[in-house]
Parts: sequence; structure tokens; C-alpha cells
Amino acid sequence: GNSVTQMEGPVTLSEEAFLTINCTYTATGYPSLFWYVQYPGEGLQLLLKATKADDKGSNKGFEATYRKETTSFHLEKGSVQVSDSAVYFCALSSSAGGTSYGKLTFGQGTILTVHP
Amino acid sequence: GAGVSQSPSNKVTEKGKDVELRCDPISGHTALYWYRQSLGQGLEFLIYFQGNSAPDKSGLPSDRFSAERTGGSVSTLTIQRTQQEDSAVYLCASSPTGGGGANEQYFGPGTRLTVT
Repeated sequence: GNSVTQMEGPVTLSEEAFLTINCTYTATGYPSLFWYVQYPGEGLQLLLKATKADDKGSNKGFEATYRKETTSFHLEKGSVQVSDSAVYFCALSSSAGGTSYGKLTFGQGTILTVHP
Repeated sequence: GAGVSQSPSNKVTEKGKDVELRCDPISGHTALYWYRQSLGQGLEFLIYFQGNSAPDKSGLPSDRFSAERTGGSVSTLTIQRTQQEDSAVYLCASSPTGGGGANEQYFGPGTRLTVT
């Protein structure tokens, strides 16, 4: 079945540091890939997505590239801010059709803390 | 516009009691999903609705769990004879079309269930 593996956290960085959160996946077919973020006290919200190989999703200075050859979708940001402190989830949605279409499979989440 | 809403926001119940959790999706969204977020298991898919039918119930952990959706809108997740391992945050999400793999899912704030 489908699975998503994220790098273990928590991750603690100083403001303006470079961020990478690794994400690899196992899936049949050609899944869509997502990064969701959960800020303290708030619900999950979509950060960015990519729907086919070599697509790059980007939003709020974050980006991730769909790499089919390495089955990866690593999240990066060049200069983090305190306001980026949150839990980040990598997820995939199967494109295999049928009754599971659209169901999200999540990684375990990575807690990011950014200090001033 | 209004997002996905869930009620109650918090629920404390005694072991063995039944509970009902409610989800109001974004108006016009045909796809609705329930997920569970717990410390030990991360974010897990429970059930998917397309309109009023549930083509994918594969994530429901036991026959104590059931869900329905009426009028293509509100959904209720019912847990009978609650157990302590049911303690988690229950998340609802909706999506505008038929569960397409690339479509964003919009999440509600969740219901935190504590079984004592």
C-alpha cells in the first residue's frame, strides 16, 4: 500500500537558517504530493502541492520538487522565520482511481521550532 | 467564506459511552473525509464520502465506528462503546469535486476526544 516517511524531528533552527525536511514515499501509479502545515492552535492547511514528476510546488518561500526517480518530495526554505514554527506533514493522494481516489496518506509530521 | 466546522471542539466521555462528532463541510463540496490524529498513530484516514455514499470505509478501525452523511452536506461520526485508545483528535476535511487526487482538502479544526 501507500506510505510516506518523513525525517524525524523535532527540528530547531535559528531565524534566517536554511530548512530542509525530507520526505520519501511509496505508492502505486502516479500520486499527487502535498505538504500540509499545522500552526499552533490551528487546523491543517495546504502549504504546497505537485501533481506530476518534476513539478515544483511553492508557497510562502517554501518549495518542494516531485522527484519520481528518488520517490521524494523534500520541503525547503532558504530563510526561516519565527512565524514558520509549526508541524509539517508530507502527504500523498493516490491516482490509482477507484474508491480510494483522493484519500490522503500522511507522514508522521515534523515539528519545526524557529528561534529569534 | 465559511470553512469546515466541527463540533464539539472538545469531548470528554467515560469509557463505554457512545459519542457523536459532527462535521459541516464547505458548502457545495461533494467529497468529505474523516481522519484521526493520535500520538501513537499520526494522521490516519477513516472514511470517505462522495455525496451521501461512502465508497471507502477502509480506515474505520472497528465496527464500533460508523459514519453517515445526509443531504450531501453534514456528516456524523459515531463511536459506540468508547475505549481509551479512541482518544484522539478527529479531523474532517472536504473537497470541491469527486475526490480527485490533486484537489486540495480543506480541514476543520478538529474534535479532541478524551475517553476516561
